[in-house]
Amino acid sequence: DTAVSQTPKYLVTQMGNDKSIKCEQNLGHDTMYWYKQDSKKFLKIMFSYNNKELIINETVPNRFSPKSPDKAHLNLHINSLELGDSAVYFCASSHSLGEAFFGQGTRLTVV
Amino acid sequence: GDSVTQMEGPVTLSEEAFLTINCTYTATGYPSLFWYVQYPGEGLQLLLKATKADDKGSNKGFEATYRKETTSFHLEKGSVQVSDSAVYFCALIDTGGGNKLTFGTGTQLKVEL
Repeated sequence: DTAVSQTPKYLVTQMGNDKSIKCEQNLGHDTMYWYKQDSKKFLKIMFSYNNKELIINETVPNRFSPKSPDKAHLNLHINSLELGDSAVYFCASSHSLGEAFFGQGTRLTVV
Repeated sequence: GDSVTQMEGPVTLSEEAFLTINCTYTATGYPSLFWYVQYPGEGLQLLLKATKADDKGSNKGFEATYRKETTSFHLEKGSVQVSDSAVYFCALIDTGGGNKLTFGTGTQLKVEL
């Protein structure tokens, strides 16, 4: 049983397109996150949701819009994709102040 | 704000060598501290954690002690194996910083025969 699953694992798309990445957790956690990992492996938090409420929204372009239909899901929609959006995007979940469990990542390549 | 500083890599060691990866932090509250490991092509996995001062986290031969006086959480292993080759991330979550897990920049470890 996969604890945190995100789809797709790979995503190749053209500049200007709109795409979504889905994330689901079956751990009963109340907090979910999206992180972006760049080519140098640096991890930067993008968003955090607690009980479906947005609680952290870092300086992310408004082309990125998270959506949490319920506590077990946090999807990421990206409009008008740019070359600089190419990265690995990780979903994670946790109990409020506990350790986070990560998905396998979605490698997004914008061409 | 909260921050985590860890030694830059890459670190290259021979098998059975002793490993230390330094990590220091700044936080406004009383953070919990973590080490995560990322194997090639995979997501991050929790390696160990410590939730209060003087706690020692340990797992798979790795250890780290929460030192409040030096604001450090250095990762150590007495004898590394080739299979330990990965990127290691120090991280904290702070009671005064919201539900935000803050990561260091990661340290790449390569272990050779």
